[in-house]
Amino acid sequence: DVQLLESGGGLVQPGGSLRLSCAASGFTFSNYAMSWVRQAPGKGLEWVSTVSGNGGYTYYTDSVKGRFTISRDNSKNTLYLQMNSLRAEDTAVYFCAKGGACTTTTCYGRVWFDPWGQGAQVTVSS
Amino acid sequence: EIVLTQSPGTLSLSPGERATLSCRASQSVSSSFVAWYQQKPGRAPRLLIYGVSSRATGIPDRFSGSGSGTDFILTISRLEPEDFAVYYCQHYGTPPFSFGPGTKVDIK
Repeated sequence: DVQLLESGGGLVQPGGSLRLSCAASGFTFSNYAMSWVRQAPGKGLEWVSTVSGNGGYTYYTDSVKGRFTISRDNSKNTLYLQMNSLRAEDTAVYFCAKGGACTTTTCYGRVWFDPWGQGAQVTVSS
Repeated sequence: EIVLTQSPGTLSLSPGERATLSCRASQSVSSSFVAWYQQKPGRAPRLLIYGVSSRATGIPDRFSGSGSGTDFILTISRLEPEDFAVYYCQHYGTPPFSFGPGTKVDIK
């Protein structure tokens, strides 16, 4: 079975940094696009970022460009999200999710989300 | 950038009834790259439909998707008690790979 387990969430002050991790198992990690999706309290889903299987292509929603960095370590089957310059509006549950098969291409048409991890809470507050 | 809108915001139905959920895109979605997700309170979302009409693994056949261009539909043929939840559409052609605001299906 595919399993995704996020870690690294917590409480951080505005302007601070946090790194989320997502440990994957049950599939050939390097063959698939991986993404982060967040959900603010009481709100809908918001796509945050996606990385191709080999890490060569990365995509971000406008509100996190220049502040967040998605990366992966295929030797450790782990996805990361480095979050810097955090703002109150970044407060959310952050889910990692597996996409379609996508190794060295743009991943267009491959970025659906199945399955999802259980989520990691990130709270930005003073 | 494609913006997705969903209607209605809330759908109040009884078990056994048919649910029809709409998702409209601000511009044509390339190659039918539309997915639908179900989310229950306190849970991670679950993929139901991808490629407009293909059911994900393990999804019952009472869930079906249709549409093309800018208009897409998720149909639940006969609502079961476990189907009362929030449903989101998503496009995944080119970034940003955005979601619609969701439709809540609740018990009438």
